[in-house]
Amino acid sequence: DAGITQSPRHKVTETGTPVTLRCHQTENHRYMYWYRQDPGHGLRLIHYSYGVKDTDKGEVSDGYSVSRSKTEDFLLTLESATSSQTSVYFCAISERGRVTNYGYTFGSGTRLTVV
Amino acid sequence: DQQVKQNSPSLSVQEGRISILNCDYTNSMFDYFLWYKKYPAEGPTFLISISSIKDKNEDGRFTVFLNKSAKHLSLHIVPSQPGDSAVYFCAASGVQGAQKLVFGQGTRLTINP
Repeated sequence: DAGITQSPRHKVTETGTPVTLRCHQTENHRYMYWYRQDPGHGLRLIHYSYGVKDTDKGEVSDGYSVSRSKTEDFLLTLESATSSQTSVYFCAISERGRVTNYGYTFGSGTRLTVV
Repeated sequence: DQQVKQNSPSLSVQEGRISILNCDYTNSMFDYFLWYKKYPAEGPTFLISISSIKDKNEDGRFTVFLNKSAKHLSLHIVPSQPGDSAVYFCAASGVQGAQKLVFGQGTRLTINP
């Protein structure tokens, strides 16, 4: 899967609990992204990172935080999970910040259900 | 504000015929357009792209057409095969504040035998 692994693959959690999703890459790419996929919305950017300890917000960042302490790991934390955060979460990586012909490489996703 | 729109949630095509998936965008700063294919329980995978300086790009059975004046692109699959059944996402990126990939809502393509 192009050296990108997401964990866990599936998770069920209760409303109000914190949850952390992990993205691990072995490609040594500088840029990493978290997207969520929802019916009728496609893929929407939550947060992204352009280097170790360098992160920024995406389009739907409320209720989420991220951390990147190593090149290979990008963590997404739901500080207090809500039912509206039930979704499929995808991590993506890219060698460059500027999208050209190939865009990003995606992981296999984490299906999160908040009950 | 949906900058990239795929207005057809689903499309059904007979095997061997042409599949045409459409995508519209609003941001004139976009300069790269990509199509991704997604199977259930997998991540999206890159299919084909086109730069805004071109109006057509072809790769085997897949061709993408770009009409900049209409802010419209389309993906043609000829001939369609059962393995093409998937969700297809259109995505766009550009310079100056629009560098991240922005995705459309997706179109579910079903190829019928």
